[in-house]
Amino acid sequence: QVHLVQSGPEVKTPGASVKVSCKASGYTFTRYGFNWVRQAPGQGLEWMGWISAYDGNTNYAQKFQGRVTMTTDASTTTAYMDLRTLGSSDTAVYYCGRTDRPGGSYTDYWGQGTLVTVSS
Amino acid sequence: EIVLTQFPGTLSLSPGEGATLSCRASQSISSSSLAWYQQKPGQAPRLLIYGSSNRATGIPDRFSGSGCGTDFSLIISRLEPEDFAVYYCQQYGGSPRTFGQGTKVEIK
Repeated sequence: QVHLVQSGPEVKTPGASVKVSCKASGYTFTRYGFNWVRQAPGQGLEWMGWISAYDGNTNYAQKFQGRVTMTTDASTTTAYMDLRTLGSSDTAVYYCGRTDRPGGSYTDYWGQGTLVTVSS
Repeated sequence: EIVLTQFPGTLSLSPGEGATLSCRASQSISSSSLAWYQQKPGQAPRLLIYGSSNRATGIPDRFSGSGCGTDFSLIISRLEPEDFAVYYCQQYGGSPRTFGQGTKVEIK
């Protein structure tokens, strides 16, 4: 069965960076991609971008262009999301999810989420 | 950017009743590229419907989706206690992919 297991909670100061990992198992890693979605406390879902685990192609939401980098490592079947220059508005739960179309489509399996808290 | 507006914001219903949730897009969504998710407190979202009307694996048939163009619906035929949650629509026909703001289905 498909499992996505994310790294643990993070506390960061403003201006810092965070790197969240997403370990995948139960399927052929390179046949799918990953969406990254975040959810601020008490708020809705926000799509950040997509990466192909096959060739590393990415599609970032313009809001995060220049501040986010998504990568994958097929040798460890892990996806990563690196967000830089954090501000308090980046406090959120970050989710990875599996998706099967270029550019990022619906997410059929989700990680458990990683809480990132940005506070001075 | 395609803006998705969900309504109503909150539905107060009793178990056994039916629910209709709506999602309207600011422009036509290509190829019915619309999905619905359910989210319970403290949990990740769960995929219910993709391609406007296709149930995801393991989703009970009391959940159904319909619509095309700019107007989409999620119908829950008879609410079970575990169906009380927040529901989100998401479009993946345009970039960036966007979500609606959610509809909360609460126990009356």
